[in-house]
Amino acid sequence: AQSVTQLGSHVSVSEGALVLLRCNYSSSVPPYLFWYVQYPNQGLQLLLKYTSAATLVKGINGFEAEFKKSETSFHLTKPSAHMSDAAEYFCAVSDGSSASKIIFGSGTRLSIRP
Amino acid sequence: EAGVAQSPRYKIIEKRQSVAFWCNPISGHATLYWYQQILGQGPKLLIQFQNNGVVDDSQLPKDRFSAERLKGVDSTLKIQPAKLEDSAVYLCASSLVDGSYEQYFGPGTRLTVT
Repeated sequence: AQSVTQLGSHVSVSEGALVLLRCNYSSSVPPYLFWYVQYPNQGLQLLLKYTSAATLVKGINGFEAEFKKSETSFHLTKPSAHMSDAAEYFCAVSDGSSASKIIFGSGTRLSIRP
Repeated sequence: EAGVAQSPRYKIIEKRQSVAFWCNPISGHATLYWYQQILGQGPKLLIQFQNNGVVDDSQLPKDRFSAERLKGVDSTLKIQPAKLEDSAVYLCASSLVDGSYEQYFGPGTRLTVT
């Protein structure tokens, strides 16, 4: 069975600072990994995904994530935070086999300080 | 391209009443998902359809929840009777059957059970 753990339910950074949101996964097979963003009162939007190609994945809005098998991690980063990045971020995992069923983490709320 | 549509956006009911949510996926998307997102948690898959067949309903509380997808397009999720713990946002998502694993989410329906 697959699962994800997001470390830190709330992260606060200053505008212009590095954003680092942590995600560790558990999977018995090579996983597919995702980061989604959710703005207030909206649905989720895919930021980026890892599907066994390049380990460094670039997404929308300047975000990227690196798949590290040895650490079972898929942390999300952005070099310079913008006020518009304030949102809830979800890491998710799929085994890539069971008709694209995705398991979501509990989320990390990102706040940006002016 | 129109996104995933959901209605209503908000619903308040008393416990033991019934409620129904509607979802219209992106045109051409064969796979449709219903998720339950309780405050402070990640989305949890309730049911997944491919065309008008059920792929996974293992986490659907079948004693009170039901869902259908007639004609393989629109879908309805019903709760009868509602309990206090059903208060949540109900998200609908859709995807192509192309191995991309990209799910597109609607804005959700926020249900409050009093």
